Amino acid sequence: AQSVTQLDSQVPVFEEAPVELRCNYSSSVSVYLFWYVQYPNQGLQLLLKYLSGSTLVKGINGFEAEFNKSQTSFHLRKPSVHISDTAEYFCAVRDFGNEKLTFGTGTRLTIIP
Amino acid sequence: NAGVTQTPKFQVLKTGQSMTLQCAQDMNHEYMSWYRQDPGMGLRLIHYSVGAGITDQGEVPNGYNVSRSTTEDFPLRLLSAAPSQTSVYFCASRRGDGTNEKLFFGSGTQLSVL
Repeated sequence: AQSVTQLDSQVPVFEEAPVELRCNYSSSVSVYLFWYVQYPNQGLQLLLKYLSGSTLVKGINGFEAEFNKSQTSFHLRKPSVHISDTAEYFCAVRDFGNEKLTFGTGTRLTIIP
Repeated sequence: NAGVTQTPKFQVLKTGQSMTLQCAQDMNHEYMSWYRQDPGMGLRLIHYSVGAGITDQGEVPNGYNVSRSTTEDFPLRLLSAAPSQTSVYFCASRRGDGTNEKLFFGSGTQLSVL
């Protein structure tokens, strides 16, 4: 069965510093991978997705993620964060042929001025 | 377009009461789903539907019922509310033909069961 592990529940980062949010998945088949962001008191919105093709995926707001099949990882990165990036970030996985999308427990990104 | 609309935004129930959380989408999406969000647990899938007349269980279906009589609507029913059902509930939808995997979320319903 598919599952997702987000290793860090909270990540504090200074403004304009780089950040990496870690995500590892488990699945016995090929997968679709996603990162969603939740700003305070809002629903989730899609940051980026990996379906197939290039393993480096670029998303909105300057974020990117790299699919690493051998390490079963899909880490999210941004070279320089802003105060507006303060939010909770969720990694999610869906097996090919499975309609269910499974979310990780989330990483709260806090930007320090 | 309104996207995914959830009502109500807030609700307080007493233990044992029943209620229905409403979800409607105007994007003609085949796939709709309900998640609950609890601190430290992320989002957990309650029920989902791949089209009108078709529903299936997610990770945490106990205590909840769903139906899908139209493409647009996917209500979630709490039959007899329990304090363990205190949570934030999100409805989400997407296309079902594999051309776009993006899930569109509603703004959520914050439910407290006393």
